[in-house]
Amino acid sequence: GAVVSQHPSRVICKSGTSVKIECRSLDFQATTMFWYRQFPKQSLMLMATSNEGSKATYEQGVEKDKFLINHASLTLSTLTVTSAHPEDSSFYICSARHPSSGNTIYFGEGSWLTVV
Amino acid sequence: AQSVTQLDSHVSVSEGTPVLLRCNYSSSYSPSLFWYVQHPNKGLQLLLKYTSAATLVKGINGFEAEFKKSETSFHLTKPSAHMSDAAEYFCVVRNYGGSQGNLIFGKGTKLSVKP
Repeated sequence: GAVVSQHPSRVICKSGTSVKIECRSLDFQATTMFWYRQFPKQSLMLMATSNEGSKATYEQGVEKDKFLINHASLTLSTLTVTSAHPEDSSFYICSARHPSSGNTIYFGEGSWLTVV
Repeated sequence: AQSVTQLDSHVSVSEGTPVLLRCNYSSSYSPSLFWYVQHPNKGLQLLLKYTSAATLVKGINGFEAEFKKSETSFHLTKPSAHMSDAAEYFCVVRNYGGSQGNLIFGKGTKLSVKP
């Protein structure tokens, strides 16, 4: 199947700093990527839809100034958590829609963020 | 609006016995339904999907799911559990009303397999 890669898989940062997570579609071009967040023992919640060449669409309740999303190319979307706080510690996972595979969604491996 | 409910947060079976992970859905449209599996420290992997074709869908690793409109269910089954099946399983519906068809996840069912 198609491959979506996320980096880093684990990151620890200090409160107040910013951290960037990358999501790459390795063998296909994705005009649309999605960013999810998973709290412990809860399901994945969609944060935003990332569209190549345009602004991301954020879900209700997600702070766009805190979670900056950039989809500068057809194979890369980035999520930057700005001024991170301990409550931002979570599992973040991206997915990409494969345009030539019935719009099947492929997920990255996820990124564990710990803010200390 | 679409939603999915996974009825069990944790299911434990013995190796070699059948697996049943339950999922009920709610949808205003003819739904597209999926089952994903998440192994520790790994990304989500698509097991199978239903998109209004055959109601019995066969997936990878011996899993299958049956779409039952009358019961609004899409339960995941496997005849014989293997140790490697231990993971978290998510029932998912495609959200046509949201932003460009994103996915709505159930809360997940953790499957444990005992030797």
